[in-house]
Amino acid sequence: EIVMTQSPVTLSVSPGERATLSCRASQSVSNNLAWYQQKPGQAPRVLIYDASARATGIPARFSGSGSGTQFTLTISSLQSEDFAVYYCQQYYNWPPLTFGGGTKVEIK
Amino acid sequence: QMQLQESGPGLVKPSQTLSLTCTVSGGSISSGDYYWTWIRQHPGKGLEWIGYIYYTGSTYYNPSLKSRLTLSVDTSKNQFSLRLSSVTAADTAVYYCARDATRSSNWFDPWGQGTLVTVSS
Repeated sequence: EIVMTQSPVTLSVSPGERATLSCRASQSVSNNLAWYQQKPGQAPRVLIYDASARATGIPARFSGSGSGTQFTLTISSLQSEDFAVYYCQQYYNWPPLTFGGGTKVEIK
Repeated sequence: QMQLQESGPGLVKPSQTLSLTCTVSGGSISSGDYYWTWIRQHPGKGLEWIGYIYYTGSTYYNPSLKSRLTLSVDTSKNQFSLRLSSVTAADTAVYYCARDATRSSNWFDPWGQGTLVTVSS
């Protein structure tokens, strides 16, 4: 099983600032990585797939990078609606498909 | 636009079987283009993939749940279902159904809204 580790667990950021979230895989997942955003009481929604492709309707301030074992989600200028929990997920080697533990982006 | 909706009991007794159904609208489960999946989220915790089913009935299960898990599909009703036997409090979670993007690109979109299942006597 591929273990996904996200850091930090909590990120405190002021509106308008840049947020950088990390995701590390226990072995290479090539570029088979997705990022999701989850707000309280809602299902996750996909932001990024294939490590760097933005999903339909996702604003350009969200960008993904990385390959192999190290990945980054960057939110260039945080808006109020971006404060949420973010998860990465690998789909390179399964079963099982695996998620990271999440990073909570909170208002500083 | 495709939508998914989970349904089933919100309370299950320990040692019994948890049963949920996902109803798909806005598209056919038999299109053959997608896997259909279940994912759960323990209260305040992260996401756990439960398993996939294809419209033919082929399944892929999380090894950690395989011994207790059965996924099934009813193409006539455009539904797929989950049965998890011998539940304990550790199975208390929000259960989501979702579709994967394509059979060769296994990220998830769209998702159902989720349903909370509590295991308690």
